[in-house]
Amino acid sequence: SQTIHQWPATLVQPVGSPLSLECTVEGTSNPNLYWYRQAAGRGLQLLFYSVGIGQISSEVPQNLSASRPQDRQFILSSKKLLLSDSGFYLCAWSYGTGRNQPQHFGDGTRLSIL
Amino acid sequence: DAKTTQPPSMDCAEGRAANLPCNHSTISGNEYVYWYRQIHSQGPQYIIHGLKNNETNEMASLIITEDRKSSTLILPHATLRDTAVYYCIVRVSSGSARQLTFGSGTQLTVLP
Repeated sequence: SQTIHQWPATLVQPVGSPLSLECTVEGTSNPNLYWYRQAAGRGLQLLFYSVGIGQISSEVPQNLSASRPQDRQFILSSKKLLLSDSGFYLCAWSYGTGRNQPQHFGDGTRLSIL
Repeated sequence: DAKTTQPPSMDCAEGRAANLPCNHSTISGNEYVYWYRQIHSQGPQYIIHGLKNNETNEMASLIITEDRKSSTLILPHATLRDTAVYYCIVRVSSGSARQLTFGSGTQLTVLP
């Protein structure tokens, strides 16, 4: 069966510090991968998605970036965090396009910027 | 993606069936109905999806009306761990590289 891992679960970072969140998927190959952010009391906002190694699409302009160095690894980064980057970050995977399969989410990283 | 309407909250006694309704009157022919839930401080969990036939898996059953304008998620024997916000989403394919849009959902509280 497929599993998705995200770490760390919680993170407290000062403003201006760098960020690296990692997500890995097991049990499938060539998945679509997604990074979402959920602000407190609000819905999910898609930040990035990837349909293959090195292929990243950005949905929202921001100071975050994403990379996919391996087929089942998705990384969310920032060089300098802003207060507005606080939130609940979720990684998700799905089978490739053309299938009606659902997105499956990790347990998330709760990021607090001080 | 078609708009969905869900009651904001529901209660259910432990061990009884929980029936969560969703209206999606503007659904088009190629749109699926997906259900997710989110337990506080966790990532959303996929439950079930369907196009027009009723579906059942180890977690729940999905009943879609013949005109597809509404559906009901059924948790056959609710437990305290089923307390969560349940989201009904209608879209062409959750698996395509597009955003999942979660509405406000239904807060289900399972009571002991």
